Amino acid sequence: DAGITQSPRHKVTETGTPVTLRCHQTENHRYMYWYRQDPGHGLRLIHYSYGVKDTDKGEVSDGYSVSRSKTEDFLLTLESATSSQTSVYFCAISEGGGDQPQHFGDGTRLSIL
Amino acid sequence: KQEVTQIPAALSVPEGENLVLNCSFTDSAIYNLQWFRQDPGKGLTSLLLIQSSQREQTSGRLNASLDKSSGRSTLYIAASQPGDSATYLCAVKGGSYIPTFGRGTSLIVHP
Repeated sequence: DAGITQSPRHKVTETGTPVTLRCHQTENHRYMYWYRQDPGHGLRLIHYSYGVKDTDKGEVSDGYSVSRSKTEDFLLTLESATSSQTSVYFCAISEGGGDQPQHFGDGTRLSIL
Repeated sequence: KQEVTQIPAALSVPEGENLVLNCSFTDSAIYNLQWFRQDPGKGLTSLLLIQSSQREQTSGRLNASLDKSSGRSTLYIAASQPGDSATYLCAVKGGSYIPTFGRGTSLIVHP
């Protein structure tokens, strides 16, 4: 299995609080991705990174920011959490290049009350 | 914009049946197509990766085919078992290196 660790695995917080999710990889892969998965919507890309300090938006980036200061860590921040951001968040990595597969972490279940 | 459709959305079969899950995509300019399995409450596990130059890939009882020109892939599961029960997703990677996912097929194999 690819070495991907997401933390925390579960979190319950209140509306308006900041939340940071962490994705850590041990594979030295270039690409890292954050997705959210919701019933009826499937997997949706939030942000992705193609190198240290190189990030770009996905289809549902509003309300989220990311940072990647080291190859191995990709952080997802909800500056002021809202109930609509209650979801399961997945991190994925890819070595880079069009022919490389994606590998996923185990997910973070986030509940915002 | 690439669109990926998986049919059927749900499938329930008795143990031992051979199954075909379908994945179709609208833009044939792809690098690869990847099939995943997701168990309830878990992450996605990669099953098979087919490069754009390949026609099929096999792993155990699983066989995935790719027809780029028609925008279709199938995942064939031979001699299904209750342990195969899961949601199966396909993802197509195009020029942006960002995969596009289908909504998945939820499979139940009952004894």
